[in-house]
Amino acid sequence: EDQVTQSPEALRLQEGESSSLNCSYTVSGLRGLFWYRQDPGKGPEFLFTLYSAGEEKEKERLKATLTKKESFLHITAPKPEDSATYLCAVQAAGGSYIPTFGRGTSLIVHP
Amino acid sequence: DAMVIQNPRYQVTQFGKPVTLSCSQTLNHNVMYWYQQKSSQAPKLLFHYYDKDFNNEADTPDNFQSRRPNTSFCFLDIRSPGLGDAAMYLCATSPAGSSYEQYFGPGTRLTVT
Repeated sequence: EDQVTQSPEALRLQEGESSSLNCSYTVSGLRGLFWYRQDPGKGPEFLFTLYSAGEEKEKERLKATLTKKESFLHITAPKPEDSATYLCAVQAAGGSYIPTFGRGTSLIVHP
Repeated sequence: DAMVIQNPRYQVTQFGKPVTLSCSQTLNHNVMYWYQQKSSQAPKLLFHYYDKDFNNEADTPDNFQSRRPNTSFCFLDIRSPGLGDAAMYLCATSPAGSSYEQYFGPGTRLTVT
């Protein structure tokens, strides 16, 4: 069974204090790993797709990296507007295309 | 802008009173999904359609049903809502089954009184 575990569950940072969120996964072959941002009371918003170990993608203060067992979402010099829940989802190769979601990391950035 | 639209954004219903949530998309995507999300939990897939092919998750209660009359619209029917069905309901789309990200609507917050 595919599993996705995100850590920490919650993270509080001061503005400008860089950190990383972790997404560990267990799948029988990875087709794709997705990161989403979800603001309170809203639907998730797509951020990145990663396909193979060693791949990296960046968007503003966010950088996503991928290994064979986990992905990191690095946040550099965060601002209060980066506060949100970040969800990770994985899609397994060779089977159903339905992604498995983690429970997310709730990030709060204090000014 | 192409998007996924959900109506209503907030729905209050009484225990046992049927309710229908709607989703429409202007992205022309093949796949549409319905998720249930409770506080601090991962989205839980209820159903998905690949074109007109309906797929029901094994643990989706019989109380939940869905319809997709055409490519653009999808409905979630809750026949007899219980207190445990109070949640955020998310509609999502994707272009096809393989390696594509999902595009989510803003969600419908369902309250059961």
